[in-house]
Amino acid sequence: NAGVMQNPRHLVRRRGQEARLRCSPMKGHSHVYWYRQLPEEGLKFMVYLQKENIIDESGMPKERFSAEFPKEGPSILRIQQVVRGDSAAYFCASSPIKFPQGSYEQYFGPGTRLTVT
Amino acid sequence: AQSVAQPEDQVNVAEGNPLTVKCTYSVSGNPYLFWYVQYPNRGLQFLLKYITGDNLVKGSYGFEAEFNKSQTSFHLKKPSALVSDSALYFCAVRPRGNNDMRFGAGTRLTVKP
Repeated sequence: NAGVMQNPRHLVRRRGQEARLRCSPMKGHSHVYWYRQLPEEGLKFMVYLQKENIIDESGMPKERFSAEFPKEGPSILRIQQVVRGDSAAYFCASSPIKFPQGSYEQYFGPGTRLTVT
Repeated sequence: AQSVAQPEDQVNVAEGNPLTVKCTYSVSGNPYLFWYVQYPNRGLQFLLKYITGDNLVKGSYGFEAEFNKSQTSFHLKKPSALVSDSALYFCAVRPRGNNDMRFGAGTRLTVKP
């Protein structure tokens, strides 16, 4: 059973370009979460999605960032017109539906390290 | 607002000695509590969780954590540290009936031979 897959593992973009980060959850998992981690810092929640539905995007910057989890295919985190401050590690996690609600742990992918030059 | 505090940025212990990594939280109700470990250039790995029942929870790699409701703490412990335990440790909290999980800032554990 493959774990959470993320690609690419490393991504270099010039300022103003678009970055697309992909996440394939573990088999059987219907919930996907995106986090950002700056060097020597903890994880900051960005967005929580189920298939075709954004549940909570309270951690997403209002501009340039968007996320989707289509019916088929991986979840995508898109950053438009990247700036140097977007350089960070972006982690995806997935979880199953488990009751009681909220009692499940999340399984993390290896992350995508974005560098904006 | 809910929050998670890991009061120590860094913890240093000698191999073979017991270790404790502290976590306190401020969340209404009885939240679910988690510990994760992150090795360099890797994603987070789940260690253990507290859902209900016994206050002492046992997890992976010999780690355990003690839930203390009155002190709203969930400290991570291990009786005998290994050099390979050196990593970044994160405490996380999720309110019951909620999908919103919040992580602490992390504690870097260094175990010296």
